[in-house]
Amino acid sequence: TQLLEQSPQFLSIQEGENLTVYCNSSSVFSSLQWYRQEPGEGPVLLVTVVTGGEVKKLKRLTFQFGDARKDSSLHITAAQPGDTGLYLCAGDTRNNNAGNMLTFGGGTRLMVKP
Amino acid sequence: ETGVTQTPRHLVMGMTNKKSLKCEQHLGHNAMYWYKQSAKKPLELMFVYSLEERVENNSVPSRFSPECPNSSHLFLHLHTLQPEDSALYLCASSQDQAGSYEQYFGPGTRLTVT
Repeated sequence: TQLLEQSPQFLSIQEGENLTVYCNSSSVFSSLQWYRQEPGEGPVLLVTVVTGGEVKKLKRLTFQFGDARKDSSLHITAAQPGDTGLYLCAGDTRNNNAGNMLTFGGGTRLMVKP
Repeated sequence: ETGVTQTPRHLVMGMTNKKSLKCEQHLGHNAMYWYKQSAKKPLELMFVYSLEERVENNSVPSRFSPECPNSSHLFLHLHTLQPEDSALYLCASSQDQAGSYEQYFGPGTRLTVT
């Protein structure tokens, strides 16, 4: 069984602060995705990282994939209340037969206070 | 309609009832998924369909029965559920091909079993 561990599970910060969320596994993934989920809605894809050591930026969000493709981090600069939500990482183990199997981490629930 | 839609958004059912959840994707994808999201657990993959054939069943109890009549529609038939089956049921779709990793989620059906 492949496991993805996210930390921290909960994070409450003030507007303007920086934060980092971590996603770790002992397994190698062909790609890793980050999603954000708001209450009452499904997860929305933020980014996919594929290459070991890859860094992607999405405005104030920076995503990094570990060199060994076993871990990833999400860094948010100058957090805003609109960043509040559940952040999920998901590792992809491609099934050669069909479909891409995602293993999800437990999530990090972020609250940004104004 | 765009993206992935799910109906109903909320469902309350007794343990002896039979109901069905519906998912429709408008993205032209060829793979569809059912996930269960509980309060205390990571997102759990239940079923995967690719090209309308089921390719994954992660030991889901037989009281959950999926149906995929075509690549755009996915159903989850429910009967004699237990209170612990109360959760958010999410549908997702993806394009199953080399280099394509992302899954797109619907808003989910919040199921309460009484």
